[in-house]
Amino acid sequence: GENVEQHPSTLSVQEGDSAVIKCTYSDSASNYFPWYKQELGKRPQLIIDIRSNVGEKKDQRIAVTLNKTAKHFSLHITETQPEDSAVYFCAASGNSGNTPLVFGKGTRLSVIA
Amino acid sequence: EPEVTQTPSHQVTQMGQEVILRCVPISNHLYFYWYRQILGQKVEFLVSFYNNEISEKSEIFDDQFSVERPDGSNFTLKIRSTKLEDSAMYFCASRGQKNTEAFFGQGTRLTVV
Repeated sequence: GENVEQHPSTLSVQEGDSAVIKCTYSDSASNYFPWYKQELGKRPQLIIDIRSNVGEKKDQRIAVTLNKTAKHFSLHITETQPEDSAVYFCAASGNSGNTPLVFGKGTRLSVIA
Repeated sequence: EPEVTQTPSHQVTQMGQEVILRCVPISNHLYFYWYRQILGQKVEFLVSFYNNEISEKSEIFDDQFSVERPDGSNFTLKIRSTKLEDSAMYFCASRGQKNTEAFFGQGTRLTVV
């Protein structure tokens, strides 16, 4: 089955700096890669996703890149703000709708004002 | 905006007791999932459900667990004889089609004492 590795486990940045979180996946059949943000005590919420027919996607301060050959995808947050502080999870999913999302272990991002 | 709803938000139960966690997925969604998250850890897949049957389950989802969609709207997770290590946040999620966003409920915090 799919295995998703995520690094780093914790990340501290100064407000205004960029943050990068990296994930690798094992199953070459996976083709959907969402990123979720989870604030303390709350549900995971989708912030951006990418499909394997695209190499990069951007939404304001958030971007995701995908390297299918290397089975690697990354989240980039620019101009970080204190409200970006949360746990971020990457995930991967296969082509079938029955195939569940498999999550990485999460990255706790702290943005220091 | 439609959302996945879960009840109860918090359940405390004695070890060995049965619990039923309830979820109402988004009405036109086809794929349903249960995940659990032990405090401070990653979101772990338990089971996926499609077309009124289990389509995939993880090693965690042993004989103590069962799922049902009894009436076309509710989606339940039953734990027959709870153990201390079942204490976690349980999230229900639903998706409309394959490779689309999974929407998470707000979770049920299960505490087994």
